[in-house]
Amino acid sequence: GAGVSQSPSNKVTEKGKDVELRCDPISGHTALYWYRQSLGQGLEFLIYFQGNSAPDKSGLPSDRFSAERTGGSVSTLTIQRTQQEDSAVYLCASSFRGLQGTGELFFGEGSRLTVL
Amino acid sequence: AQSVTQLDSHVSVSEGTPVLLRCNYSSSYSPSLFWYVQHPNKGLQLLLKYTSAATLVKGINGFEAEFKKSETSFHLTKPSAHMSDAAEYFCVVSDFKAAGNKLTFGGGTRVLVKP
Repeated sequence: GAGVSQSPSNKVTEKGKDVELRCDPISGHTALYWYRQSLGQGLEFLIYFQGNSAPDKSGLPSDRFSAERTGGSVSTLTIQRTQQEDSAVYLCASSFRGLQGTGELFFGEGSRLTVL
Repeated sequence: AQSVTQLDSHVSVSEGTPVLLRCNYSSSYSPSLFWYVQHPNKGLQLLLKYTSAATLVKGINGFEAEFKKSETSFHLTKPSAHMSDAAEYFCVVSDFKAAGNKLTFGGGTRVLVKP
């Protein structure tokens, strides 16, 4: 497709389970971001990938969160031992060269995670 | 450091009347500023951006914003609201020198348009 694709769109899980969220960016975009959108919290930066460079992981809230980007394309955000406070919408965005390019981010529709 | 404050969490306007969404930012260097819109259950979409060229920036759907350095503001306006403008709007600041590749989002302003 032409846009950023995220899956699943909705995920309900039990506390303590692991979850994986997938992001398929726009073809040719070298920069990929994960943000978390919680009710009343706004958008929180999680992690940034740019090409083959080491990712900027400074926004990951705990060591239960990890992300990888394979082949410079698809990215997976993994949350281990989920907690109720992890409930949020996880947004992925891609960009041509990140903020050093046009600066415009293209967002997916998000993955809504509910931890019971 | 960089930060952004959206002064109104909710704005209610009547269709056909002007819209004003207020945004103030803080940045140590020369920021780029953006407004994004998010319709229900949709991803965020760029409305417009300021990157140190003209201070009055025109975006899509009739929106525009003015960068005022002296007031550290980047307010979003539209002369005449349409029902389709009902959405949440985010003011965003980016300063590569201050914060690298992180974008900092404001808390959002939810716009309600009354018929």
